[in-house]
Order: sequence, then structure tokens, then C-alpha cells
Amino acid sequence: GAGVSQSPSNKVTEKGKDVELRCDPISGHTALYWYRQRLGQGLEFLIYFQGNSAPDKSGLPSDRFSAERTGESVSTLTIQRTQQEDSAVYLCASSSLGTQYFGPGTRLLVL
Amino acid sequence: KQEVTQIPAALSVPEGENLVLNCSFTDSAIYNLQWFRQDPGKGLTSLLLIQSSQREQTSGRLNASLDKSSGRSTLYIAASQPGDSATYLCAVSWSGGGADGLTFGKGTHLIIQP
Repeated sequence: GAGVSQSPSNKVTEKGKDVELRCDPISGHTALYWYRQRLGQGLEFLIYFQGNSAPDKSGLPSDRFSAERTGESVSTLTIQRTQQEDSAVYLCASSSLGTQYFGPGTRLLVL
Repeated sequence: KQEVTQIPAALSVPEGENLVLNCSFTDSAIYNLQWFRQDPGKGLTSLLLIQSSQREQTSGRLNASLDKSSGRSTLYIAASQPGDSATYLCAVSWSGGGADGLTFGKGTHLIIQP
């Protein structure tokens, strides 16, 4: 069966541009998570979706970050007016029975 | 503040040795603890999940233990192989509802010398 997939795998953008990152969770997983991993740092939790409940956005780094999820499927993480500090690997995970399964990540570089 | 710490940050051992990776957490009221491995340029692979009511979990050459009262978990790798070389991450959930996601340690970078 397919695992969690993310696209694009790599993204290079200019400072000030908007980017959209996509995550396709494992089919049937109701919970979906976004994390960020900056170079040399640990993974940082950003946001969590559970079914149709409204997500807790308090973990998002700034109001330039937003995330959406359509039902229990695809999720998108949008970063507006990107800054160099946004450069990181963005990881998505979906969950079943407590175990989180991670995608390969999107490596974002803001020039 | 709920934090996860991993020691050592890096470890290099000859092939065939048994080894222990350590993880500590600041708040003993955890929901579960998960060990992952991360290979360069790839995502995370879940190795073992320990619920708060459990003391250990085993999978093949891996054994993870949990001592909530002392705020510690260990990952034991038996008969290490070069293919075990990776970064090992410990992650804790303090909320079963997932509202706070997982809190990760910074990892132990493991190198198994052939």
C-alpha cells in the first residue's frame, strides 16, 4: 500500500513569494500532522488535523503560515511572503492507532 | 516546558556491538513514546511505539523500554550492522488527542563501522 506522499520534493523560491506544499496521507488515516525541521534542529510541530474538527493553529510560527485539509484526505500548507528563515524540510505525517507515519518531506529553500 | 533530550548526540561503534541510545523527557504524564530512524534525505521511519501503560516493546534486534517515573526511555540495538547507521529520534506525545503533536529530541547520529 502507498505511504504518505508529499509534493514537491524540493522547492526553491525567492524571498517574498508564496509557496504551497501538499500532503497526501495514508488512506483511512483520520489524523494528519505538519512538522518543520530546520537545518541542525529537531522537528518542530506545526499543526494537527483530526477528522472534520477545526485544527489548533497555535503551533504555526507566524500568521504567514496557514494549512487546510479537505475532509480526511489531502492537506496543503501555505507560506505567504516567504522569508529566509522559512528554509527547512517540511514533513507531513498521518496517524493510525497512535503511530505516526511520515512522508519524505518537502525541502524548501528561500533565497 | 515539556522537552525531550537525547544522549549521546552522536555515536560510532564497530559492527556487531550491542548499543543503547538514551532519551529523557521532562513530564512523566506521557500518552506514548515513539522511536524513529531518519536516513539522510528521507523521511522518518517508525521503529517502535510504547504506550504509557507499557514497559517495553521489541521488534527484531530492537528493544525499547519506558520508565515513566524517571522520565526515561532506552533503545537497545543488538548485534549492530552497517545498515543501522542513521539518526535515531525519540518523540513523546503528552496528549492522546494529538493536539500538541509529537515533541522530538534532536536525535542520536549513529554510525556503525564495517
